[in-house]
Amino acid sequence: DTGVSQDPRHKITKRGQNVTFRCDPISEHNRLYWYRQTLGQGPEFLTYFQNEAQLEKSRLLSDRFSAERPKGSFSTLEIQRTEQGDSAMYLCASSWDSVTEAFFGQGTRLTVV
Amino acid sequence: GNSVTQMEGPVTLSEEAFLTINCTYTATGYPSLFWYVQYPGEGLQLLLKATKADDKGSNKGFEATYRKETTSFHLEKGSVQVSDSAVYFCALRRNTGANSKLTFGKGITLSVRP
Repeated sequence: DTGVSQDPRHKITKRGQNVTFRCDPISEHNRLYWYRQTLGQGPEFLTYFQNEAQLEKSRLLSDRFSAERPKGSFSTLEIQRTEQGDSAMYLCASSWDSVTEAFFGQGTRLTVV
Repeated sequence: GNSVTQMEGPVTLSEEAFLTINCTYTATGYPSLFWYVQYPGEGLQLLLKATKADDKGSNKGFEATYRKETTSFHLEKGSVQVSDSAVYFCALRRNTGANSKLTFGKGITLSVRP
């Protein structure tokens, strides 16, 4: 198992464009989390899946953001009509359950120009 | 709500110096506490954790003790190495409810000089 993988590692997009990121969690981990990290800050929770069900969304997740986890495996995070304020590192993490360690991917760095 | 406060950085030390990175938290109930580390070019990795008051987490020479009375989880290492240069994040996780999301501090950059 190669751990949590995220694709792409870097994305530069023009303001107003849509972008989609992918996260492949550790196999058999039923919990998957998305976080956002801006410069000089710690990661902030965006949303959480248990299997295919999206169970919680942060207020940070505006209507332009949508996340899916079809079949409870990989997950995608889409941002529509990107804004400069969306520039950040988007991190994905997975865990087996609520008490075991969460493993993080290396993140997708988004730059909106 | 839950929050984590870390001391301001960055921190620069000489090799073999003693390290303390302060972390305090605000939380309802009794959360679990964590230190994560991010080495250059890599993802976040769990360094150590403690799940209840007075527990001591330890790993790679680092230690932190869960202090409920001072709501603190300070990270210490007796003798730092150049390879310890990284960004360190303190975090908490509530132990009730299904969502085991982490709440992080801002992080602190540690640079160790040879």
